[in-house]
Amino acid sequence: QVQLVQSGAEVKRPGASVKVSCKVSGYSLTEVSMNWVRQAPGKGLEWMGGFDPKDGEPVYAQEFQGRVTITEDTSTDTTYMELRSLRSADTAVYYCAAADSIAAARFWGQGTLVAVSS
Amino acid sequence: DIQMTQSPSTLSASVGDRVTITCRASQSISPWLAWYQQKPGKVPKLLIYKASDLENGVPSRFSGSGSGTEFTLTISSLQPDDFATYYCQQYNVYPGTFGQGTKVEIK
Repeated sequence: QVQLVQSGAEVKRPGASVKVSCKVSGYSLTEVSMNWVRQAPGKGLEWMGGFDPKDGEPVYAQEFQGRVTITEDTSTDTTYMELRSLRSADTAVYYCAAADSIAAARFWGQGTLVAVSS
Repeated sequence: DIQMTQSPSTLSASVGDRVTITCRASQSISPWLAWYQQKPGKVPKLLIYKASDLENGVPSRFSGSGSGTEFTLTISSLQPDDFATYYCQQYNVYPGTFGQGTKVEIK
């Protein structure tokens, strides 16, 4: 069974950066496509970016272009999401989600709360 | 980016009711449409993938249908455990956009 374990909660100042990690166990990172989804308080799910299973290249939602970078370390089966130039509207729970052969996000991390406040 | 529009935003129903949620895409995405269930404070859970395939362990009262740009999630007989928010997501073209969600409330 796949497990995704994310790093702990973060509190950041506006303008700072945050890097959230997500370690995969039960599968190799090469067997899944990793995605990052966020959810602001009381709001819906928002797909930020992920590795396109068609070619393995990172793709980012337009809203986050230039501000987010998603990377992988296959030696440790860990994926990372870095979001820069943080603002209060970035306060949210950030989830990693893994898609296997079915391509939909079957497995989810527990979520990481990132709070942005001055 | 492909836009996904869910309706209704909120749905009030009783235990035993048949419930249908609709999701429309701004362009054809067949069959790459998933449905997720999320309860307050919990992680989203995959219910349906490839528009109509039931995820392992999901009760058979959940079903998905549709093609092209219009899709539906049906709960044949609503149970107390089903009161939650439901999201559709297209994954035909990255980025894999979500609908805005449908909250199913107790009537």
